[in-house]
Amino acid sequence: NAGVTQTPKFRVLKTGQSMTLLCAQDMNHEYMYWYRQDPGMGLRLIHYSVGEGTTAKGEVPDGYNVSRLKKQNFLLGLESAAPSQTSVYFCASSRDMDNQPQHFGDGTRLSIL
Amino acid sequence: AQKVTQAQTEISVVEKEDVTLDCVYETRDTTYYLFWYKQPPSGELVFLIRRNSFDEQNEISGRYSWNFQKSTSSFNFTITASQVVDSAVYFCALSEALSNTDKLIFGTGTRLQVFP
Repeated sequence: NAGVTQTPKFRVLKTGQSMTLLCAQDMNHEYMYWYRQDPGMGLRLIHYSVGEGTTAKGEVPDGYNVSRLKKQNFLLGLESAAPSQTSVYFCASSRDMDNQPQHFGDGTRLSIL
Repeated sequence: AQKVTQAQTEISVVEKEDVTLDCVYETRDTTYYLFWYKQPPSGELVFLIRRNSFDEQNEISGRYSWNFQKSTSSFNFTITASQVVDSAVYFCALSEALSNTDKLIFGTGTRLQVFP
């Protein structure tokens, strides 16, 4: 049972390059989330989705786009990477009932040079 | 506004000591949920506990216990007889029921180091 799978696990980009982070969950969860984790700042919500075809902005959405074309997948895109986007990115999913615990992927460590 | 404060940035203890991690939250909602997650050195996030705002009973799970006090807006986590494997960053988080999105607001985390 894979749970939440993030690809890739590591990536180094040059400023201005674009890339997409993929999150896949096999638990049939409605809700999915993208967070970033920076030293001393905890996890901050970038974007989230409450169902297939829906997305919404979180606390720090600038510079990112997302898509949820299939229920099991949630993609995070960086159109023009900036050094400030160097971070560890976590995807999570949860059931749409009574604020159930979120299940997290193992994270993607992204460095922008 | 919603906010979670973990004032302790880092705590160091020697094995077998008891340690309490503090969590103070702010919310205007009357229905909300509180969580603790553990992030070991390997980096993944492990769910520990979920508590709703109407349940103020303390909870114990093995060496772990949680003290929820609405009067002081706190949800503290105690590890009894700490072990080296407890070394990790611990996050407290808040989710408001009225948001209908289950978004989590995290504290900045407390790094716990347990020395043998």
